[in-house]
Amino acid sequence: GQNIDQPTEMTATEGAIVQINCTYQTSGFNGLFWYQQHAGEAPTFLSYNVLDGLEEKGRFSSFLSRSKGYSYLLLKELQMKDSASYLCAGMDSNYQLIWGAGTKLIIKP
Amino acid sequence: ETGVTQTPRHLVMGMTNKKSLKCEQHLGHNAMYWYKQSAKKPLELMFVYNFKEQTENNSVPSRFSPECPNSSHLFLHLHTLQPEDSALYLCASSQEPSSSYEQYFGPGTRLTVT
Repeated sequence: GQNIDQPTEMTATEGAIVQINCTYQTSGFNGLFWYQQHAGEAPTFLSYNVLDGLEEKGRFSSFLSRSKGYSYLLLKELQMKDSASYLCAGMDSNYQLIWGAGTKLIIKP
Repeated sequence: ETGVTQTPRHLVMGMTNKKSLKCEQHLGHNAMYWYKQSAKKPLELMFVYNFKEQTENNSVPSRFSPECPNSSHLFLHLHTLQPEDSALYLCASSQEPSSSYEQYFGPGTRLTVT
């Protein structure tokens, strides 16, 4: 079956770094997406990885290892506004997104 | 107006009511999606429309009926719902179907079935 696993909740301190891990099992693979969703709002696209390695985009970076079925989202210089849920989604061979349940990130001052 | 819009934002309905959710995208995209989001559960894909044609129906009960009159508008018609259908219903669009383009989401309709 297809499955995405990510931690339910994480806590970090303002100004620090946090890494949110995601493991995936999909039927075929057409990339790994990360989305951010603030409470009561729409998910918004953060990153897309289809090749192994690290993609950096400002304070956010995303890493992919296809051989391990593993990805992480790295958030640096955390700000209070980064408190949100982070959704990991793998795209299968039919270009359908298989979603994780999301990781709720709590930032403390 | 830009992006993906959804109306209404909140809806309370009884199990015998009939209502419709509306989604409109102003991005010129060719694919549109309906998702159900329940608390602490993964997003569940319900329907996919590519160029106005339905291409996916992920075993959704017939009490949910989608309609896509053109590539910019998507409706979800609801009738005789159950309390377990209470959830956030998200509409999304993407540039091309069957591709790795990211999806753009609307703000959702928070549905409560009483």
